[in-house]
Amino acid sequence: QVQLRESGPGLVKPSETLSLICTVYGGSISGYYWSWIRQPPGKGLEWIGYVHHRGNTKYNRSLRGRVNISVDTSKNQFSLKMSSVTAADTAVYFCARDFDPFDYWGQGILVTVSS
Amino acid sequence: QSVLTQPPSVSGAPGQRVTISCTGSSSNIGAGYDVHWYQQLPGTAPKLLNNVNNNRPSGVPDRFSGSKSGTSASLAIAGLQAEDEADYYCQSYDSGLGDFVFGTGTKVTVL
Repeated sequence: QVQLRESGPGLVKPSETLSLICTVYGGSISGYYWSWIRQPPGKGLEWIGYVHHRGNTKYNRSLRGRVNISVDTSKNQFSLKMSSVTAADTAVYFCARDFDPFDYWGQGILVTVSS
Repeated sequence: QSVLTQPPSVSGAPGQRVTISCTGSSSNIGAGYDVHWYQQLPGTAPKLLNNVNNNRPSGVPDRFSGSKSGTSASLAIAGLQAEDEADYYCQSYDSGLGDFVFGTGTKVTVL
């Protein structure tokens, strides 16, 4: 059974870069696409982007330019970097396998943007 | 603001059948893109309810069924149970945005 787990700082200062890692357990990162999705407190879900194990990416148009998703197959991990964050980026960030549909999800990690 | 619109809430008594709608447009559901549904229990990650070709992943009861017509889709929950109380989201692809999109979400309450 594939399991995903997000890790990273729970607090980021405004204008700084948010960095998260998703570690995949119980299966190889190869052969799949891997996604990041976020959910502001009390609000709905927003797809951020995905990366293929070979490195090609696709990002949400509204976040393009601020987001970078990369993969490290040697560690069975993929990561999210989001620059110039503001309070509007405060959310629970989920990592997930594949896209359309997103079939396996991590438990999520709350990231708060505040000084 | 999502391009997929769902009712904010739906409720029903135990054992009843409830339906959640997901209204889109010609650039997403109407263009023939798949619609997937997710259940999010309080404080947990979303869980996929229907896979490619509307198949249910292992462990999803057959009380959950999805359908699509024109620019809309629906999720029906038959024989409503207390454990079904959760938020439900539809998801598809929008060719106009070039993004994967989620619906606005529906809270199901079991009376």
